Amino acid sequence: LAKTTQPISMDSYEGQEVNITCSHNNIATNDYITWYQQFPSQGPRFIIQGYKTKVTNEVASLFIPADRKSSTLSLPRVSLSDTAVYYCLVGDPNSGYSTLTFGKGTMLLVSP
Amino acid sequence: ETGVTQSPTHLIKTRGQQVTLRCSSQSGHNTVSWYQQALGQGPQFIFQYYREEENGRGNFPPRFSGLQFPNYSSELNVNALELDDSALYLCASSTGQGLEQYFGPGTRLTVT
Repeated sequence: LAKTTQPISMDSYEGQEVNITCSHNNIATNDYITWYQQFPSQGPRFIIQGYKTKVTNEVASLFIPADRKSSTLSLPRVSLSDTAVYYCLVGDPNSGYSTLTFGKGTMLLVSP
Repeated sequence: ETGVTQSPTHLIKTRGQQVTLRCSSQSGHNTVSWYQQALGQGPQFIFQYYREEENGRGNFPPRFSGLQFPNYSSELNVNALELDDSALYLCASSTGQGLEQYFGPGTRLTVT
């Protein structure tokens, strides 16, 4: 499984756009990139998944360059409730079974 | 559509005892995965069940075992509890392959 590297923590203010970058230098051809969000004492929540270029949903955007060795999760106009740990994961969704390999994630703190 | 539920919410056990944690998967999901999350760490994969069969296992000793029932609910059993087993235990359900898993709120286990 490809290893991922993310910043340990980030700070932002309400209303700002936040970009969290994840490095995955040894990503495999069939791997997808997935991001999860976790609030304290809760299970992680799926945010977004992509393979290449750009993916957008109602919550976030995911930017993936052509070499796919990194990806950036973009959260538009964050609010206090976006304070959470964000995990970047890489894996093949079509493998025999799908496990999620979590790192330590990025702790995002949004201040007023 | 009901989400993933886990019971109990909290549990305190003594070293050497045995514990059973329970999980009800989201409606329509046939795959259940269990994760252990120590304080300040990302969730670590324990094992996965697909249609009542173990479908993959992480780096956990045999005293961690599980079951999946015909209704796709699941149990995690841990024998001979150790202090290091204190953690949040998360259950996640999905439709099989794929990286989008739906997590329950977790069971906080404390071993004294």
